[in-house]
Amino acid sequence: AQTVTQSQPEMSVQEAETVTLSCTYDTSENNYYLFWYKQPPSRQMILVIRQEAYKQQNATENRFSVNFQKAAKSFSLKISDSQLGDTAMYFCAHQNNAGNMLTFGGGTRLMVKP
Amino acid sequence: DVKVTQSSRYLVKRTGEKVFLECVQDMDHENMFWYRQDPGLGLRLIYFSYDVKMKEKGDIPEGYSVSREKKERFSLILESASTNQTSMYLCASSLGQARQPQHFGDGTRLSIL
Repeated sequence: AQTVTQSQPEMSVQEAETVTLSCTYDTSENNYYLFWYKQPPSRQMILVIRQEAYKQQNATENRFSVNFQKAAKSFSLKISDSQLGDTAMYFCAHQNNAGNMLTFGGGTRLMVKP
Repeated sequence: DVKVTQSSRYLVKRTGEKVFLECVQDMDHENMFWYRQDPGLGLRLIYFSYDVKMKEKGDIPEGYSVSREKKERFSLILESASTNQTSMYLCASSLGQARQPQHFGDGTRLSIL
């Protein structure tokens, strides 16, 4: 079974600064997929970024990028130039190779301060 | 855009009642999922379905059942609601291939009194 751990229950960052959210996972599979989801106060879970384990290059989506360390089973999210709208719960998730099981971490609540 | 619609945003029921939570997706996705979300625990998978009339147990299926009679609709059933089932329930859907992300509904906050 997979497990996903987010060690930072809460974080805060000043607007325009950079913040990194941590995530570690455990899996016995060699190929799998990793995701970061954002859940703002409106509650809808939104996909932020995804990474395929067989790709060495770190994924980037505008201000969002990941640091994927496969050997260490680490998948951190970096948010650059933080904006007030980035305030949300952030969930790291591992998806198995078959694509039918998504395991979530406990979440990190991020507050962006003006 | 994918649309996943959950029938209720808030729901209040009494202990012992049979409760139905409905979810509909409009993108012809093969997979559908039900999660419950509790503070500090993230999302935990209750059941998922990869085809009509097919279902698989997730991590916490006890006290729940599901129904998928049509491809676009996936129902979660609490046979006899209990107070420990008070939670946020999220429905999601995805295409059947690997690497496809799940798309989520807005959630139903269920309170069992």
